[in-house]
Amino acid sequence: DVKVTQSSRYLVKRTGEKVFLECVQDMDHENMFWYRQDPGLGLRLIYFSYDVKMKEKGDIPEGYSVSREKKERFSLILESASTNQTSMYLCASSSQGRTSSYNSPLHFGNGTRLTVT
Amino acid sequence: GNSVTQMEGPVTLSEEAFLTINCTYTATGYPSLFWYVQYPGEGLQLLLKATKADDKGSNKGFEATYRKETTSFHLEKGSVQVSDSAVYFCALQPYGGYNKLIFGAGTRLAVHP
Repeated sequence: DVKVTQSSRYLVKRTGEKVFLECVQDMDHENMFWYRQDPGLGLRLIYFSYDVKMKEKGDIPEGYSVSREKKERFSLILESASTNQTSMYLCASSSQGRTSSYNSPLHFGNGTRLTVT
Repeated sequence: GNSVTQMEGPVTLSEEAFLTINCTYTATGYPSLFWYVQYPGEGLQLLLKATKADDKGSNKGFEATYRKETTSFHLEKGSVQVSDSAVYFCALQPYGGYNKLIFGAGTRLAVHP
């Protein structure tokens, strides 16, 4: 079974702190994603990566950056945390590369609930 | 642009009742359509999918048919169980879209004995 592991289940940070959310997948997937989940808004894509050191902005990248130095690890960085970044963050991975239109399922981690005070 | 609209929840049903969760979409071209389920305290997992018009996805007693003429992908189950209580997300993937999914807002289902 594919496993996507997010390093923390719950995090509490202060406004202005730099925050790192870590995600590791064990199935050699090319694609990795960061979503945030908010009530009434569903999941919104922050950033994604289709290869090591490659990244592309999703729908709501402002206030976030990402890092993918190794294929299995995709980190989300909040440069200066703000209260409006309090949310559930979900990491996902999938096996398809950029040219394929075939749809392999996304495999999600269990999420990190971040509270910024 | 691409978007997904789901019926608002929560949906509350008694065990063995019939379930329908409506989902409509807006997309250019020929997207693929998905239903994901999120059980309490867990991440999302794929429930079913359909990749072209008139395809029917099915899994665990759930079904959904890709209707291009009505741009819909409604989720149905004939007899729900308490264990089906979860949040259900409809999603679309634009053709050739790196597996980037666009999700609906989610519909919470609560099934009571």
